[in-house]
Amino acid sequence: DSGVTQTPKHLITATGQRVTLRCSPRSGDLSVYWYQQSLDQGLQFLIQYYNGEERAKGNILERFSAQQFPDLHSELNLSSLELGDSALYFCASSPTDRLANYGYTFGSGTRLTVV
Amino acid sequence: GDSVTQMEGPVTLSEEAFLTINCTYTATGYPSLFWYVQYPGEGLQLLLKATKADDKGSNKGFEATYRKETTSFHLEKGSVQVSDSAVYFCALSLKLFQGGSEKLVFGKGTKLTVNP
Repeated sequence: DSGVTQTPKHLITATGQRVTLRCSPRSGDLSVYWYQQSLDQGLQFLIQYYNGEERAKGNILERFSAQQFPDLHSELNLSSLELGDSALYFCASSPTDRLANYGYTFGSGTRLTVV
Repeated sequence: GDSVTQMEGPVTLSEEAFLTINCTYTATGYPSLFWYVQYPGEGLQLLLKATKADDKGSNKGFEATYRKETTSFHLEKGSVQVSDSAVYFCALSLKLFQGGSEKLVFGKGTKLTVNP
């Protein structure tokens, strides 16, 4: 157990629907990162939060949004889902937003299947 | 832009064979370098890291040396085991903005299968 908890582990939904993925970071970690892992694109950075504030956006679609709450857990909202959104979504956390000493701690991911 | 290039897999070895997975990077400045491992059905786990040139990261028999002159961070292990079968990712840390946050940029991963 890495200490980063992601729920649900699996999600199957229809095109056009909206889902919410949840992440609880490791205790004491202030930074949360979301990544999408697909076979063709590899691991793509979506968005980062640090202590409740959005710090950086990567290749995140406008249909996707995220937030980090005061208790530091984060949610990734995916709407108007398309077949191509099917992927593994990982959350990672880190004590700070400087990675040299810590890197990330990853959760086990949420596998989203859009049918 | 900053990027990581890994050797394409899959790599299949027999138990006790020598492993090398090549990783080269392109970056402005001096990033930290990482190797992560992903076992089936799990998230990525940090395997080892190096934060400056000539540093050697090591863990569980795996080693990698940060070579600035060749912009490389090749992963090696002298004698692999069946339990090492996994996907290995090379990554570098990238500054998102001056003086600010960093994120990891990953290679595409190399799948290793070790047969008994």
